[in-house]
Amino acid sequence: LAKTTQPISMDSYEGQEVNITCSHNNIATNDYITWYQQFPSQGPRFIIQGYKTKVTNEVASLFIPADRKSSTLSLPRVSLSDTAVYYCLVGEDNFNKFYFGSGTKLNVKP
Amino acid sequence: NAGVMQNPRHLVRRRGQEARLRCSPMKGHSHVYWYRQLPEEGLKFMVYLQKENIIDESGMPKERFSAEFPKEGPSILRIQQVVRGDSAAYFCASSPATPPDNEQFFGPGTRLTVL
Repeated sequence: LAKTTQPISMDSYEGQEVNITCSHNNIATNDYITWYQQFPSQGPRFIIQGYKTKVTNEVASLFIPADRKSSTLSLPRVSLSDTAVYYCLVGEDNFNKFYFGSGTKLNVKP
Repeated sequence: NAGVMQNPRHLVRRRGQEARLRCSPMKGHSHVYWYRQLPEEGLKFMVYLQKENIIDESGMPKERFSAEFPKEGPSILRIQQVVRGDSAAYFCASSPATPPDNEQFFGPGTRLTVL
């Protein structure tokens, strides 16, 4: 049973804002939504986490509508170094394990 | 504060041999998670451990795989009698607290190649 659904890939250009949307129709009441970034040959790196409405940190924003069945990761003014795979995760049970889908491969072009 | 450390970074084994992967969590972290990643796929949860306890091993294959996190020393993922299908990247993550405040910090991974 898929926990999350994301686009397989996206293309963008340097300086643009990128929005990656994730569907999680079966999200549970206590689930948080977390996004990770992974570069080739490296472990994933935490980007942002939220429960509802909007969360912003120094690298991204996370928008979560009231029904929480989807979320959107927003990357402002991407650069070439943002080329990576982005994973949307939702919590499971006691949040002690993450289910990684196939992620969204973002390709930023010059 | 050093990050999560994994060694070796690359490991080559022949079919039938044993593979031992080590993970040292970040200082102060007592929760360790192991994931496996096949090429072009996302990470798959294997096991969640706290010191001297296996909390959740629902993602571990029933045979040949085992994990431990002793009171002293690193966490060990052990694969006995490896087969070609075990070739993958194995990532370890650690977190400092109990859920839900449990951001996981990942190590660089161990790439296992089975010949």
